[in-house]
Amino acid sequence: SQQGEEDPQALSIQEGENATMNCSYKTSINNLQWYRQNSGRGLVHLILIRSNEREKHSGRLRVTLDTSKKSSSLLITASRAADTASYFCATDEVSNSGYALNFGKGTSLLVTP
Amino acid sequence: NAGVMQNPRHLVRRRGQEARLRCSPMKGHSHVYWYRQLPEEGLKFMVYLQKENIIDESGMPKERFSAEFPKEGPSILRIQQVVRGDSAAYFCASSPRGRGLNEQFFGPGTRLTVL
Repeated sequence: SQQGEEDPQALSIQEGENATMNCSYKTSINNLQWYRQNSGRGLVHLILIRSNEREKHSGRLRVTLDTSKKSSSLLITASRAADTASYFCATDEVSNSGYALNFGKGTSLLVTP
Repeated sequence: NAGVMQNPRHLVRRRGQEARLRCSPMKGHSHVYWYRQLPEEGLKFMVYLQKENIIDESGMPKERFSAEFPKEGPSILRIQQVVRGDSAAYFCASSPRGRGLNEQFFGPGTRLTVL
């Protein structure tokens, strides 16, 4: 079953602006991960945040996790045209006996010069 | 350290033929996962394997699909008697360890087109 749900489905911003994407999930998780996928390419791992963490930074990326609301956000600051891609959240469920990740449908980000 | 390798990158098959997709995990990784992505969709888990063992195949269709990860060589996802609905991108991922620190590294995918 699909766990993560990203919001918005699509986002269009100009270079230099910040982009915020949200992810909601339904069950308890061990961790939540964000991935980027350029058109027609594979997924690139961006960041992993564990269930006992609330915020994590990596370069221009900032991820927050609110387990009480079962939600996470990905913030990309000072966006660049090269950030244009689809962004997926994926959850590792506590009840998951198979170690698989559950992906949402993604947010499509377009950064225009 | 080479990343996850998948081949072929593109595969075209006619209905009824067999498709074989290969995945070589990153060096030192013993956990392999297969996912399928339909257009405009997220990835859907299919199967999780360790060397010579299928750990979780709850996402695999009951018929025509099989997977293996032999002691030597790549992991293989095999689709027999392909149908048009099998057209999708198939991604393989690997990780060095299991739950808790489950960062998965993805290959570039194999795009299967069934004519």
